[in-house]
Amino acid sequence: DQQVKQNSPSLSVQEGRISILNCDYTNSMFDYFLWYKKYPAEGPTFLISISSIKDKNEDGRFTVFLNKSAKHLSLHIVPSQPGDSAVYFCAASATGTYKYIFGTGTRLKVLA
Amino acid sequence: GAGVSQSPSNKVTEKGKDVELRCDPISGHTALYWYRQSLGQGLEFLIYFQGNSAPDKSGLPSDRFSAERTGGSVSTLTIQRTQQEDSAVYLCASSTYRGASVFGPGTRLTVL
Repeated sequence: DQQVKQNSPSLSVQEGRISILNCDYTNSMFDYFLWYKKYPAEGPTFLISISSIKDKNEDGRFTVFLNKSAKHLSLHIVPSQPGDSAVYFCAASATGTYKYIFGTGTRLKVLA
Repeated sequence: GAGVSQSPSNKVTEKGKDVELRCDPISGHTALYWYRQSLGQGLEFLIYFQGNSAPDKSGLPSDRFSAERTGGSVSTLTIQRTQQEDSAVYLCASSTYRGASVFGPGTRLTVL
């Protein structure tokens, strides 16, 4: 049972345009969400997080949106740069637990 | 060091052999996680340790897998009688309470 789903395995975007990566979850107890970026042969690196008390969090070119009623979050990258090409994972955890459940990832390719 | 380190970086073993993978978390991080990523798959949760609490072993795929964390610091993941389906990248991560996990570079395990 996949509690965190990233239904798009890959995405290609032109440099300078917006990249939108989507993530859906099924567990209504999840209240903290993170996005990670992973380059080949490296461990994932933390990008941005959002708590369920917010519906938006912004950090530079990266913005995460949370729609609790739809159990959906998205990561927006504007403007996209070739260096953003990587696999992006969303992860979720529930109150009282450290355990993060990860999605299967979306491979983003930003074309120069 | 400042980050999470893992050793070895690569391990090739024969089917049926036992392997040990090591993780050195960031000093002061109370939570430690093991994940694995099989080819083309997302991050699969294996086990996590939180302080002196009993570990959450719910993600271990079989009783051939075990892990320990000594002195609240270094952790070892042991796989007994390895099988070809155990081939994957094994990632360790550590964090503070509900903080974003910091991942190590991973150990690539290949079972021949």
